[in-house]
Amino acid sequence: GAGVSQSPRYKVAKRGQDVALRCDPISGHVSLFWYQQALGQGPEFLTYFQNEAQLDKSGLPSDRFFAERPEGSVSTLKIQRTQQEDSAVYLCASSLGQGNNQPQHFGDGTRLSIL
Amino acid sequence: AQKVTQAQTEISVVEKEDVTLDCVYETRDTTYYLFWYKQPPSGELVFLIRRNSFDEQNEISGRYSWNFQKSTSSFNFTITASQVVDSAVYFCALRGGRSGYSTLTFGKGTMLLVSP
Repeated sequence: GAGVSQSPRYKVAKRGQDVALRCDPISGHVSLFWYQQALGQGPEFLTYFQNEAQLDKSGLPSDRFFAERPEGSVSTLKIQRTQQEDSAVYLCASSLGQGNNQPQHFGDGTRLSIL
Repeated sequence: AQKVTQAQTEISVVEKEDVTLDCVYETRDTTYYLFWYKQPPSGELVFLIRRNSFDEQNEISGRYSWNFQKSTSSFNFTITASQVVDSAVYFCALRGGRSGYSTLTFGKGTMLLVSP
């Protein structure tokens, strides 16, 4: 596709359930990022992939959060044993190269609500 | 450590007014990159502009202009003759370092409401 695609668009889960969020980056983009955006806040960095390698996971809030990009394209963010504080919009972004000057292109996000 | 401050939480204007969104940043890097993004109600963050720290030329793109002042660590964004379609949340962001990897740090955003 032309842009970054995320699915599902909305996800409602009960506390304690596991969820999986998918990101399909722009074709050919080497770098992939996940962000968490709380209501009324800016996006907060979670993790970064260069191709299939996860080079930075310093932003993941707990060991319940896990991300993978096994073939260097599609990525999945998994949250285990969800808590109410996990409710947020999860944004995926990709960029063509790996330089710090590269603009990141974002998807529409997945709005996660934990009941 | 990097920090981006957008002091204006919400701005309301009437169509055709000019509006300036403020952004102040902090970084220890001598080379860094500043970005502005627009987030309409649909949720997607739309890239608007990138500015390199070593290029202090101001830029104009249609009704949009950006004023980069290294001396005051500011990168302000002006919309001339605002339109209803400009209503969105605008984020300023910073990424440091010419080489090596660094994360993209966002401000909290400024919500712009343009009424007819």
